[in-house]
Amino acid sequence: NAGVMQNPRHLVRRRGQEARLRCSPMKGHSHVYWYRQLPEEGLKFMVYLQKENIIDESGMPKERFSAEFPKEGPSILRIQQVVRGDSAAYFCASSPGLAVLYQETQYFGPGTRLLVL
Amino acid sequence: KNEVEQSPQNLTAQEGEFITINCSYSVGISALHWLQQHPGGGIVSLFMLSSGKKKHGRLIATINIQEKHSSLHITASHPRDSAVYICAAVPNTGNQFYFGTGTSLTVIP
Repeated sequence: NAGVMQNPRHLVRRRGQEARLRCSPMKGHSHVYWYRQLPEEGLKFMVYLQKENIIDESGMPKERFSAEFPKEGPSILRIQQVVRGDSAAYFCASSPGLAVLYQETQYFGPGTRLLVL
Repeated sequence: KNEVEQSPQNLTAQEGEFITINCSYSVGISALHWLQQHPGGGIVSLFMLSSGKKKHGRLIATINIQEKHSSLHITASHPRDSAVYICAAVPNTGNQFYFGTGTSLTVIP
């Protein structure tokens, strides 16, 4: 049973470009979470999705960031017009979606390291 | 002020020592998670608990909801336990996580 997969593992973008980060949850998991870890800082929650639905996006920056989890295919975190401050590690996690919100063990992907030049 | 505080920030221990990492939070919570982030960056969920105590191998997590405090204990520590340990609280409002800043543990052989 493959774990959570993220790609790419490393992504380099120039300022103003778009970054698309993909997350394939574990088989059978219908909930996905995205987190950001800025250099030398702790994890920060960004967004919580289930298939075709955003459950909680209270941690997402209001501009330039969006996330989706379509019925088919991976979850996508999209950052438009990237700036240097977006350089960070972006982790996704998945859970089965059977328990109360946020009260399930999450399985983390290896992360995508985004570098904005 | 951070809703979740961890202590200590850094901890160095000799192999075999008993280790305690503390997590205090200021909001009412419904659950608390303990995570481990390895030096390479990978993150593993260790525990999710809402009351009492859980044990997995050499790891024990406890929580006291009334005192707004949780602890992670490692018995017979080993160099492979060296990692950053992070607690994350789920507020009663049911949304988001509040993360602690992490405790960096180094276990010396």
